[in-house]
Amino acid sequence: SQQGEEDPQALSIQEGENATMNCSYKTSINNLQWYRQNSGRGLVHLILIRSNEREKHSGRLRVTLDTSKKSSSLLITASRAADTASYFCATVSPMDYKLSFGAGTTVTVRA
Amino acid sequence: GAVVSQHPSRVICKSGTSVKIECRSLDFQATTMFWYRQFPKKSLMLMATSNEGSKATYEQGVEKDKFLINHASLTLSTLTVTSAHPEDSSFYICSARGFGRTNTEAFFGQGTRLTVV
Repeated sequence: SQQGEEDPQALSIQEGENATMNCSYKTSINNLQWYRQNSGRGLVHLILIRSNEREKHSGRLRVTLDTSKKSSSLLITASRAADTASYFCATVSPMDYKLSFGAGTTVTVRA
Repeated sequence: GAVVSQHPSRVICKSGTSVKIECRSLDFQATTMFWYRQFPKKSLMLMATSNEGSKATYEQGVEKDKFLINHASLTLSTLTVTSAHPEDSSFYICSARGFGRTNTEAFFGQGTRLTVV
């Protein structure tokens, strides 16, 4: 079942700019994860943030988590054309550890 | 990261026939595998969770007799779409988690594009 809502649905930016996308969810979580999907391909795990963490970095990625607002954001800094993809947040339930995906944000980075 | 291989990547079948999709964990033992369905420009919808050696758990609204899931070994799960119809055309993706790694990342296969004609 889909838990998260992502915002915006689509984002178009110039190479070198930053891209920010947001994810909101409804129920309690064990952790929240961000995945990337290139068109017609499987998903690649980007970063995981646990419910007791507020911010995490990985290379050009920065993820924040606000459990009081049930929201997370993913920031991609200094974007590259190769960052063009769809990005999905996914929450992990503390009850059954299933992954529930948001609707996704399609990011287009123009060269 | 761990590798999950899904096969075939594309399949076209005639209406009424059955199609089997395989999902293999190549370098780890996957005690749990998940099967998702994805419609164009949409999110992933969890269809079922399979645990090695036991029956799959299907999500509400997913027909278990139509989407047969078998997880016979720690490295292989299969999804069989039985008596396929054009409305079954979709992108199917599997993912896997290793033993004791229930709250960590999942590793995804490359997906299978099914077209029923």
